[in-house]
Amino acid sequence: SQTIHQWPATLVQPVGSPLSLECTVEGTSNPNLYWYRQAAGRGLQLLFYSVGIGQISSEVPQNLSASRPQDRQFILSSKKLLLSDSGFYLCAWSGDGGYNSPLHFGNGTRLTVT
Amino acid sequence: RKEVEQDPGPFNVPEGATVAFNCTYSNSASQSFFWYRQDCRKEPKLLMSVYSSGNEDGRFTAQLNRASQYISLLIRDSKLSDSATYLCVVNIGGYSTLTFGKGTMLLVSP
Repeated sequence: SQTIHQWPATLVQPVGSPLSLECTVEGTSNPNLYWYRQAAGRGLQLLFYSVGIGQISSEVPQNLSASRPQDRQFILSSKKLLLSDSGFYLCAWSGDGGYNSPLHFGNGTRLTVT
Repeated sequence: RKEVEQDPGPFNVPEGATVAFNCTYSNSASQSFFWYRQDCRKEPKLLMSVYSSGNEDGRFTAQLNRASQYISLLIRDSKLSDSATYLCVVNIGGYSTLTFGKGTMLLVSP
């Protein structure tokens, strides 16, 4: 069966520091991969999605970037964090059904920027 | 009009009750529909997809009304463990167009 791993679970970082969140999927090939953010009391906001290695589409460029160095690995980065970057970051994958497939989320990373 | 709208609740029901949530969507071209549940400070988990003819999974029944542009979720015989936020998700057919509602909170009490 497919599993998705995301780490770290929690992170406290000062403003201006870099960020790297990693996500890996097991048990499937060529998944579609996504990064979402959920701010306190708000809905899920799509940040990036990827349909293949090296293919990244950005929905909210700002100061975040994403990379997909391997088929089942998706990384979210920032060179300098802002206070507004605090939130719950969720990696997700979907399968063969294309964009009409449901998403399956990792456990999430709760980021607090201080 | 917001793309996907849900009553935020909370819906407070006793154990054993039947409860129903609706979710309205604005784009008539929407193609796929899902219900997720999200526990406090956890990731959303897929509860069920919603099919045109309606579908059932144990105590949960989902329905789609394309004419009125809403989907519904019915929970029968509520359990304490059903307490969560239920998210409605709609996609018009693209990787970036999956839209999440803000959720309806359900609280089931003994």
